[in-house]
Amino acid sequence: GAGVSQSPSNKVTEKGKDVELRCDPISGHTALYWYRQSLGQGLEFLIYFQGNSAPDKSGLPSDRFSAERTGGSVSTLTIQRTQQEDSAVYLCASSEEGLPWDEQFFGPGTRLTVL
Amino acid sequence: GNSVTQMEGPVTLSEEAFLTINCTYTATGYPSLFWYVQYPGEGLQLLLKATKADDKGSNKGFEATYRKETTSFHLEKGSVQVSDSAVYFCALKAGGTSYGKLTFGQGTILTVHP
Repeated sequence: GAGVSQSPSNKVTEKGKDVELRCDPISGHTALYWYRQSLGQGLEFLIYFQGNSAPDKSGLPSDRFSAERTGGSVSTLTIQRTQQEDSAVYLCASSEEGLPWDEQFFGPGTRLTVL
Repeated sequence: GNSVTQMEGPVTLSEEAFLTINCTYTATGYPSLFWYVQYPGEGLQLLLKATKADDKGSNKGFEATYRKETTSFHLEKGSVQVSDSAVYFCALKAGGTSYGKLTFGQGTILTVHP
């Protein structure tokens, strides 16, 4: 079956612009996660959605970052007023449930470059 | 808080050499432990996992044993191949308020030469 898909695969933007990154999880997976991979910070957790529960936003680095998940499926990560330090690969993952032993399946990522 | 510390790389080996990548963790409760691998140009994929103490995860000739007494989950392979060249990440998922999210180590780059 189809895996996790993300779009766009690459995004180049100018400092100060807003960007939206999209994630389509594996069908039927109730848990969805966003991570960021950068040279300086490694792999960092950003936000986690589980079913209808309030999302865990504890990893969002600033209030310029927000995410939503519509209809329990597709998710959009929005970065407002982008800064150069936001340049990174943004990874989305999904799992069947949010249980500690569940495997998370990762998408290919969106490479964001802020000029 | 939860954290994962991995052996610093890069690691360079000849084909058929023995591989160990050390991983230790700090976590509340009883975490699940994972090794993820990222091959060149590809996304992250699960290599193996262990969900309780003394469990051994294994896949593709790689093994790791969940050692609660030493809070470790070292990755080993008896004979590496060129195709094992990749970045390896140790990770944990803990309970409580950290429920669900993965905490990663910094990654270890492995290069295997013929």
